[in-house]
Amino acid sequence: AQTVTQSQPEMSVQEAETVTLSCTYDTSENNYYLFWYKQPPSRQMILVIRQEAYKQQNATENRFSVNFQKAAKSFSLKISDSQLGDTAMYFCAFIVGAGSYQLTFGKGTKLSVIP
Amino acid sequence: GAVVSQHPSRVICKSGTSVKIECRSLDFQATTMFWYRQFPKQSLMLMATSNEGSKATYEQGVEKDKFLINHASLTLSTLTVTSAHPEDSSFYICSAEAGGGYKDTQYFGPGTRLTVL
Repeated sequence: AQTVTQSQPEMSVQEAETVTLSCTYDTSENNYYLFWYKQPPSRQMILVIRQEAYKQQNATENRFSVNFQKAAKSFSLKISDSQLGDTAMYFCAFIVGAGSYQLTFGKGTKLSVIP
Repeated sequence: GAVVSQHPSRVICKSGTSVKIECRSLDFQATTMFWYRQFPKQSLMLMATSNEGSKATYEQGVEKDKFLINHASLTLSTLTVTSAHPEDSSFYICSAEAGGGYKDTQYFGPGTRLTVL
């Protein structure tokens, strides 16, 4: 079975500070893709960052970066210079490659950015 | 790029009626689309996988006769909730799989809030 665990139901961070959201996953496959999605109060799911498991280099997108530890099956998200607009639910998810495109989601972490 | 629209954004209907929700990929073709249901303060629950030109694949526990899915073109999938009941009230979200180098990435619609009275 494939699972995603987000151990932090809620987190808060001061504006302009840095915060790290944790995610661990379990799969026996070797080829997969990892994602972080953001769901603000509007409930629109927005892709934040994507990581291919075969790539050792950690993905970055502006203020968002990941720490991908394949052996530990860990995929944490770091948000630098937090902004009020970062307040949202953050979901960690992954897809096993080779024709299976079903996303497995974690339960989410509610992040609040405090002014 | 990779924009997905959903219509309507909100719908209120009476018990026993049917409701159709449309999901469109606006700037890309999507061979595969997905339908999710999300309860308050919970994660997304996959209902079905929709492939263009073929029957949808439903997840265990999802009634295929109640949630009819049609994926008639590479840019449109529809979910029809038939004979809706109050327990069907929920937030329904679709996603479409992007092609090319991001083949394994799903882009989501803004969701539809269904309220059945």
